[in-house]
Amino acid sequence: DVKVTQSSRYLVKRTGEKVFLECVQDMDHENMFWYRQDPGLGLRLIYFSYDVKMKEKGDIPEGYSVSREKKERFSLILESASTNQTSMYLCASSFMGNYGYTFGSGTRLTVV
Amino acid sequence: QKEVEQNSGPLSVPEGAIASLNCTYSDRGSQSFFWYRQYSGKSPELIMSIYSNGDKEDGRFTAQLNKASQYVSLLIRDSQPSDSATYLCAVRGRGSTLGRLYFGRGTQLTVWP
Repeated sequence: DVKVTQSSRYLVKRTGEKVFLECVQDMDHENMFWYRQDPGLGLRLIYFSYDVKMKEKGDIPEGYSVSREKKERFSLILESASTNQTSMYLCASSFMGNYGYTFGSGTRLTVV
Repeated sequence: QKEVEQNSGPLSVPEGAIASLNCTYSDRGSQSFFWYRQYSGKSPELIMSIYSNGDKEDGRFTAQLNKASQYVSLLIRDSQPSDSATYLCAVRGRGSTLGRLYFGRGTQLTVWP
């Protein structure tokens, strides 16, 4: 069964910490995405990548960065965590072209 | 910014009824459309995709697409309590955003026994 695996289901971090969220897919997908989901705001795209070492800003990239050193792995980095980054973070991947995403199970991050 | 709008709901239907979920989109050139189901506390799961005008059926689910009206819908026949979830409409962008999906905010559906 195809899988998108996010390294942590729940995380609690302190304000100012550097936070790494990891996502690995085993489907040889070209595209990978990071979203955050908040009640009433829906899914908001943070960053995405079409290829190794390639990244594109989404709609809300401020305070985040990403890394894609290998095709199967896409990491989201919170450089200095803040309480307004408390959210559900969802990683997704897809083939290039007319395909839907497969989502990971999500990481619920709480910044205190 | 490409807009995807869904009827905000929540939508509540009795078991066995037809649930109708609607979605409109702003980018007239959009070519592919998806419906995701998201149970509370879980991640979205792809349930339907549609690319051509008309209807596409998969079991109890029917997706309907009308590109002229920029409208896509999802019908759930013989609704079951297990269909209670939030349904997200997603539309694929064009050009440099090829590959990216634009999501609506979702419609929460409750099916009561």
